[in-house]
Amino acid sequence: GDKVKQSPSALSLQEGTNSALRCNFSIAATTVQWFLQNPRGSLMNLFYLVPGTKENGRLKSAFDSKESYSTLHIRDAQLEDSGTYFCAAEASTNTGKLTFGDGTVLTVKP
Amino acid sequence: EAAVTQSPRNKVAVTGGKVTLSCNQTNNHNNMYWYRQDTGHGLRLIHYSYGAGSTEKGDIPDGYKASRPSQENFSLILELATPSQTSVYFCASAPTGGLSYEQYFGPGTRLTVL
Repeated sequence: GDKVKQSPSALSLQEGTNSALRCNFSIAATTVQWFLQNPRGSLMNLFYLVPGTKENGRLKSAFDSKESYSTLHIRDAQLEDSGTYFCAAEASTNTGKLTFGDGTVLTVKP
Repeated sequence: EAAVTQSPRNKVAVTGGKVTLSCNQTNNHNNMYWYRQDTGHGLRLIHYSYGAGSTEKGDIPDGYKASRPSQENFSLILELATPSQTSVYFCASAPTGGLSYEQYFGPGTRLTVL
């Protein structure tokens, strides 16, 4: 969507390499969530962020509310990381109303 | 891990017919949400609820109604289904009052309106 712009729209990685996905917000985001949608369509929670950074295994995410962006770094990409990554922003605190980006389709190749 | 289930998982309906999509969560979350996802796009919010008896309009509510009869159940109702409502519908729940309002999603319902 226009309010949450994700880049790139598609990405192909060799197994074992690193990359970064980005979301830019034109709304005043208070929290950000990152999801991975697998090829079967299921949505998996990756991160819930207030301004700051979080790390979980090979994934690291940051959210800068002043500069209105969030990033998701993938280290040592594996085949099972393939899927569509979505970021979603909450603009009104405590309502939980999320605005989603259109996603980044990631393909990890052996 | 939050548990959100949806039924049916697949539905074929005829134009003008009534469709009810059901969602159940067993985590005692106050907030529940209905989204639709069209091919190649992110999710868009249709309706949401803060608890039993509450329903609120999301970003794209036209053509849809919602019902929250209990803490656990949240339904999405299409009174007069149209082909433009062909999509994948996701339900989600989220806690309130703590440090995280992270949303947990169900597996989705694929709806085709002919």
